[in-house]
Amino acid sequence: DGGITQSPKYLFRKEGQNVTLSCEQNLNHDAMYWYRQDPGQGLRLIYYSQIVNDFQKGDIAEGYSVSREKKESFPLTVTSAQKNPTAFYLCASSSRGGGYEQYFGPGTRLTVT
Amino acid sequence: AQTVTQSQPEMSVQEAETVTLSCTYDTSESDYYLFWYKQPPSRQMILVIRQEAYKQQNATENRFSVNFQKAAKSFSLKISDSQLGDAAMYFCAYKGYMNYGGSQGNLIFGKGTKLSVKP
Repeated sequence: DGGITQSPKYLFRKEGQNVTLSCEQNLNHDAMYWYRQDPGQGLRLIYYSQIVNDFQKGDIAEGYSVSREKKESFPLTVTSAQKNPTAFYLCASSSRGGGYEQYFGPGTRLTVT
Repeated sequence: AQTVTQSQPEMSVQEAETVTLSCTYDTSESDYYLFWYKQPPSRQMILVIRQEAYKQQNATENRFSVNFQKAAKSFSLKISDSQLGDAAMYFCAYKGYMNYGGSQGNLIFGKGTKLSVKP
């Protein structure tokens, strides 16, 4: 079955540690996205990549980093510079161009204490 | 910059009845796309329905339909014969016309409407 996987579902880290969230897709999509979801805030775009080896900052990129070395993978690193990292993180992918919808993974809940 | 507004943080509907969720958006573009996504308690985002701005006909998917008013920049979602499984957060989203580059093709989400369905 084609889809997007995110692992792990729940992640716990101590403050000051970097943590990497995994996102893999087998939909053959060129574009991939990372969103952060907080209560009452909807989804906010962190980073996006429209093609391998290229990515762009979204609306709230500070304290985050990404890489796109393979078409299937778009890992997100939450660095210690991110002031409020506890949140629900969603990865998505889509075909490029036009009105193609984004398909979402199941998400990762990150808790930093 | 484009914005999406969902003015109803919470809504409630009786099972088997009809409910309408509101969404308005602001844009200076003439070509764009609009979506409704559903997020049940599992938190998996699921596409409910999409609308191309150049189409005058309102999109329909089974019990879900939209009322797209381009001049008013309004995009409401109507759920008919509501079922318990319809209980979820519903997000309205805007996507500009994307010409294979730039951020204008990214999704912009509203803050969501939480729908409860009473048995």
